[in-house]
Amino acid sequence: EIVLTQSPGTLSLSPGERATLSCRASQSVRSTNYLAWYQQKPGQAPRLLIYGASSRATGIPDRFSGSGSGTDFTLTISRLEPEDFAVYYCQQYGTSPKTFGQGTKVEIK
Amino acid sequence: QVQLVESGGGVVQPGRSLRLSCAASGFSFSSYGMHWVRQAPGKGLEWVAVIWYDGGNKYYADSVKGRFTISRDNSKNTLYLQMSSLRAEDTAVYYCAREGLALDYWGQGNLVTVSS
Repeated sequence: EIVLTQSPGTLSLSPGERATLSCRASQSVRSTNYLAWYQQKPGQAPRLLIYGASSRATGIPDRFSGSGSGTDFTLTISRLEPEDFAVYYCQQYGTSPKTFGQGTKVEIK
Repeated sequence: QVQLVESGGGVVQPGRSLRLSCAASGFSFSSYGMHWVRQAPGKGLEWVAVIWYDGGNKYYADSVKGRFTISRDNSKNTLYLQMSSLRAEDTAVYYCAREGLALDYWGQGNLVTVSS
């Protein structure tokens, strides 16, 4: 099983600041980087932001970007908008079980 | 538009069974793999199971293997999760999700509470 470890657990930032979230895998994610990022707000289902480690899903603003390969991946939000304060999860979907990280909460400072 | 609507949740006693359904519309259901993902109250996301587009392959999380069964009826555009020998730790909101570009569409979630 591939274990995904996200850091930090909580990120306290102000609107307009840059957010950098990390996701580290216990072993290399399957080639073609089957690594995704999701955003979840309270009481809502998760929403796909990034797939294939770096491709934005439909309708996702370009302030969201993903990077990385192998075992180290990053989600960057270039300038935080008020609606971006939420919990973010990474997931590897290349190998079963298709595990999630434990999440990073981005909160208003 | 793509829609996934879960149903079948509720309160169930430990050791009993429950079946969740996920009705799909707005896309060619028989062309996509489908997943179940759950979230215990106040906790993170936990992947539960996946079934291939044709039902030919199924995979499970270790925490549910041997107790839960994922299935689908492509003629009814419906995904199922049969849960048996339920435990208190299975209490969660259960989401169904489509695997297109990763898990690109999700249902609204359905709460299952295992309690005596």
